[in-house]
Amino acid sequence: DAKTTQPNSMESNEEEPVHLPCNHSTISGTDYIHWYRQLPSQGPEYVIHGLTSNVNNRMASLAIAEDRKSSTLILHRATLRDAAVYYCILNGPNTGNQFYFGTGTSLTVIP
Amino acid sequence: ETGVTQSPTHLIKTRGQQVTLRCSSQSGHNTVSWYQQALGQGPQFIFQYYREEENGRGNFPPRFSGLQFPNYSSELNVNALELDDSALYLCASSRHRDSTNTGELFFGEGSRLTVL
Repeated sequence: DAKTTQPNSMESNEEEPVHLPCNHSTISGTDYIHWYRQLPSQGPEYVIHGLTSNVNNRMASLAIAEDRKSSTLILHRATLRDAAVYYCILNGPNTGNQFYFGTGTSLTVIP
Repeated sequence: ETGVTQSPTHLIKTRGQQVTLRCSSQSGHNTVSWYQQALGQGPQFIFQYYREEENGRGNFPPRFSGLQFPNYSSELNVNALELDDSALYLCASSRHRDSTNTGELFFGEGSRLTVL
């Protein structure tokens, strides 16, 4: 399995930026880095993904290290609605093109 | 909100019984994946269906089986239920991963199974 390592939990103040780290030292050249999040009592939802270059979308930004062994999901201004479990997942031939979720990072947003 | 719908939303079974969970995929999606999520854990991959055939399987015993229908909807069947099968079962639809897309998953809200 292509594995990722994330902190179990993080806290952020509302309206401040949040940087959620992920280590994936065994990533292969064809693995994409995906981020999903799961709000309470809901199924996971797609946030963002990337391969080598940094990526931005309306929800977040993804910063990928030059050696691709780590990445950071950036929420530019945390809101209470961003309180969720965030999962960093590798997806590619090494994973049979399947998504294997770990335990993720539980983000608490403080008003 | 995704277009993935699951039924039933909640159900209670007793040990040894069988259960069938259903999933309707989002329009335009041809692949369905099933996950089991125990309380406090991340979703665990059960299997994926594409073109009505199993297209990948996680570490689950054969008593977990599935079907995909021509309209891309899917069923998850679990035989000989055990207490540890109590969990949230999540269905996710996607377009099949190829050179043009990376197969992002769109999840339903899940079916909560309790085994007594």
